[in-house]
Amino acid sequence: GQQVMQIPQYQHVQEGEDFTTYCNSSTTLSNIQWYKQRPGGHPVFLIQLVKSGEVKKQKRLTFQFGEAKKNSSLHITATQTTDVGTYFCAGPGNDYKLSFGAGTTVTVRA
Amino acid sequence: ETGVTQSPTHLIKTRGQQVTLRCSSQSGHNTVSWYQQALGQGPQFIFQYYREEENGRGNFPPRFSGLQFPNYSSELNVNALELDDSALYLCASSSGLPHRGELFFGEGSRLTVL
Repeated sequence: GQQVMQIPQYQHVQEGEDFTTYCNSSTTLSNIQWYKQRPGGHPVFLIQLVKSGEVKKQKRLTFQFGEAKKNSSLHITATQTTDVGTYFCAGPGNDYKLSFGAGTTVTVRA
Repeated sequence: ETGVTQSPTHLIKTRGQQVTLRCSSQSGHNTVSWYQQALGQGPQFIFQYYREEENGRGNFPPRFSGLQFPNYSSELNVNALELDDSALYLCASSSGLPHRGELFFGEGSRLTVL
C-alpha cells in the first residue's frame, strides 16, 4: 500500500535559522496536505498542494510539491518559538484514505 | 476551534474490556475519519464514514468497529482491549472525502489500557 515517509524525524533549530523538512511517497499523489500538531494538541491543517511543481507560501512557511508528485517539502525561514511542534504530511491513497507520515518534530533554541 | 468535539477526553480501561468513543462532526460535514496516534508517531488511519457508510478501512482488526449516525456524528468501538491499544484516538470531519481537502480534527480521546 501507499506509504508516506518524512525526514528528518527531529529538527533542533536555533531561533532565527531556516530549515527544511521533506516528505516522500511510494506512489504518485493526487495532492499532498500538511498539518501541524503542537505539543499536547491535535493536528491542524496548514495547506494542500495539488499541481505538479506547485509552490505556496504562508508568511515564513514555503511548501513545494515535486514535479513527479511523489515528494514535497516544507521550508521555514527565520524560525520562531511559535514554530515548535510536529509537522505531518499526508497523502491520499487509491481507497480515498489519507495516510500520514511519522512527522518531523521541531524544537527551537532561543 | 474546529467545531469537532470528542468524548471522553481521557479514559482508563483494563485489558479485555470494551470502549466506545464519540465524535460530533463540524456542522455541514458528512465525512468522519478515525485515526489512532501512538506516542511519538503519526496518525494511523482506522476507517472513515461517508454519509453513514464505511468507505475505507486501514490495517486494524475487526475488533475496531464504528458507526455514523444520520446527523453525521460517529462512534468508534474497540472490543477486547489490548495494551497496544493505548493511544490518542482522533476524529476528523470533512466536507466530502478527505483526500480532496482539509480535515478538521477534534482534541482526541486519550485511552490508556492497563
